[in-house]
Amino acid sequence: DAGVTQSPTHLIKTRGQQVTLRCSPKSGHDTVSWYQQALGQGPQFIFQYYEEEERQRGNFPDRFSGHQFPNYSSELNVNALLLGDSALYLCASSPRRVGEQFFGPGTRLTVL
Amino acid sequence: AQSVTQPDIHITVSEGASLELRCNYSYGATPYLFWYVQSPGQGLQLLLKYFSGDTLVQGIKGFEAEFKRSQSSFNLRKPSVHWSDAAEYFCAVGASGSSNTGKLIFGQGTTLQVKP
Repeated sequence: DAGVTQSPTHLIKTRGQQVTLRCSPKSGHDTVSWYQQALGQGPQFIFQYYEEEERQRGNFPDRFSGHQFPNYSSELNVNALLLGDSALYLCASSPRRVGEQFFGPGTRLTVL
Repeated sequence: AQSVTQPDIHITVSEGASLELRCNYSYGATPYLFWYVQSPGQGLQLLLKYFSGDTLVQGIKGFEAEFKRSQSSFNLRKPSVHWSDAAEYFCAVGASGSSNTGKLIFGQGTTLQVKP
């Protein structure tokens, strides 16, 4: 049983560009949450998707958006990248909206 | 508002010694509590969780944690540390009951270094 998978592993972008990160949840899980982890910090909640809708959002600007597909996979989009967006982006899935969360390995985004 | 404090940013212990990592939380009711471990460049692995019931919970890799409501704490312990335990440890809190939305609030993390 594959766990949570994320792609790509690493990404380098320049300021002002746009980026899309992808996540496939663990088999049997229908809820995906996204977290941003800056260097030396704990993960911070970005938003959660369930039944293809954004259900809850953390304190992140509208430049951060997402999508969930019918197969429960998800994308995180960030527009107009800033240097401060450089971080490890973690995807977590759970078997239902409030279930235990399993994390993927993350995507390391570097903004130059 | 929910919050998590991990008072120790960095801890060094000798291999074979006991370990205790501190975690204090702020939440209006009994929360869901978690400890995760993160190796360099990796995602988070769940060590253990507390939802309800017995306040002493056992996890993987020989870790345990005790929920103390009176102290708003959920400290992680291990009786004998192995060199492979060197990693970053995160305590997290989630809302419980009808307020549970699945969102986790993480502490800043504690870096564990193990001396041979």
